[in-house]
Amino acid sequence: GQSLEQPSEVTAVEGAIVQINCTYQTSGFYGLSWYQQHDGGAPTFLSYNALDGLEETGRFSSFLSRSDSYGYLLLQELQMKDSASYFCAVRKAGTALIFGKGTTLSVSS
Amino acid sequence: EAGVVQSPRYKIIEKKQPVAFWCNPISGHNTLYWYLQNLGQGPELLIRYENEEAVDDSQLPKDRFSAERLKGVDSTLKIQPAELGDSAVYLCASSFGTGQGANTGELFFGEGSRLTVL
Repeated sequence: GQSLEQPSEVTAVEGAIVQINCTYQTSGFYGLSWYQQHDGGAPTFLSYNALDGLEETGRFSSFLSRSDSYGYLLLQELQMKDSASYFCAVRKAGTALIFGKGTTLSVSS
Repeated sequence: EAGVVQSPRYKIIEKKQPVAFWCNPISGHNTLYWYLQNLGQGPELLIRYENEEAVDDSQLPKDRFSAERLKGVDSTLKIQPAELGDSAVYLCASSFGTGQGANTGELFFGEGSRLTVL
């Protein structure tokens, strides 16, 4: 089978940096994606890592270590609008994306 | 460009009643997914279509759930009869490419249909 583990909640203040970790166990691993979902909204794509290393997109960065079955999403210069749920998702051979249970990020002023 | 469109956004029914959800994917996207999302959880796949063919329906409770994607475009997900435990958000997503969201794993989601079964 497969499993993904990520913290259920993270809190931070505006302007801070926060890291959301994700560990996974699966066979046929292709890559790791991150999605953001605001309350009542659609999940939206943030990033995808197929190779080891850091991918940077503006204030958000994502990291993958295939040997450690581990990745993280790094959010910098936090803003109130970043308060949302963040999901890691495994892309593997022959199946649709498999999502973790999500991390609720609360940003306060 | 229009995104993934779902309807209805909200539906309240009594248990044992039927319900149907409709999804119009992004134009040109050949892969369509139905996911179920319970409160505080991540999306869970119900069924995946490649064009009009259901290529992964292993998680679809076939005793009460059915889906179709006629002509490989719009899709309908039906529950009959609904149970209390079916209360959830039903998300439709689409992607371009052969089942894996092209090369980035990117799925485009609709805003979902929120079902409440009383």
